[in-house]
Amino acid sequence: SAVISQKPSRDICQRGTSLTIQCQVDSQVTMMFWYRQQPGQSLTLIATANQGSEATYESGFVIDKFPISRPNLTFSTLTVSNMSPEDSSIYLCSGGQPNYGYTFGSGTRLTVV
Amino acid sequence: AQTVTQSQPEMSVQEAETVTLSCTYDTSESDYYLFWYKQPPSRQMILVIRQEAYKQQNATENRFSVNFQKAAKSFSLKISDSQLGDAAMYFCAAGTGTASKLTFGTGTRLQVTL
Repeated sequence: SAVISQKPSRDICQRGTSLTIQCQVDSQVTMMFWYRQQPGQSLTLIATANQGSEATYESGFVIDKFPISRPNLTFSTLTVSNMSPEDSSIYLCSGGQPNYGYTFGSGTRLTVV
Repeated sequence: AQTVTQSQPEMSVQEAETVTLSCTYDTSESDYYLFWYKQPPSRQMILVIRQEAYKQQNATENRFSVNFQKAAKSFSLKISDSQLGDAAMYFCAAGTGTASKLTFGTGTRLQVTL
């Protein structure tokens, strides 16, 4: 299965600023996803990153706040824009195919102060 | 839309014993996949086992096996010979063949005691 490198692993950011999280996959994957996980809770899907086209966002998440890029089948970025303390969370990327299972990056712990 | 329910927020098992984690799901799709993921304190999501809905045979991976009851929409995880390293959050997830995105349950925290 694919291996995903995610960075940064953690960051502390000032409110009003933006942070870009990167995920690099060691092989081409059809599907890539971005999740948010509040401490002690389950994963909530933010969006599906589509290669060569705009991401597909879930209800409650918008492109202006969480712009996503996917320039090729091995790389994607998520930007958290105009951050507020409510954005403090763990962000995870995932990729793969449903018949093989999805691999996850190691997550980015974001704290907004 | 699909839903995944894990009714056990926490479970505890003694080392070397067997424990079963419950999961039920609901989907209108005929082509879907089910997964169990483990998340230790390191927060890395690790795929434990997966099951294709069209396969009647229950999946097995070493000490981990599932009891897949398609009619009942149940997908429980059995961990045999529990080890201290099995302590983690366990998430059940479902994904359809077409949409591919996963829906996760709320998780079960497993403690392993000596």
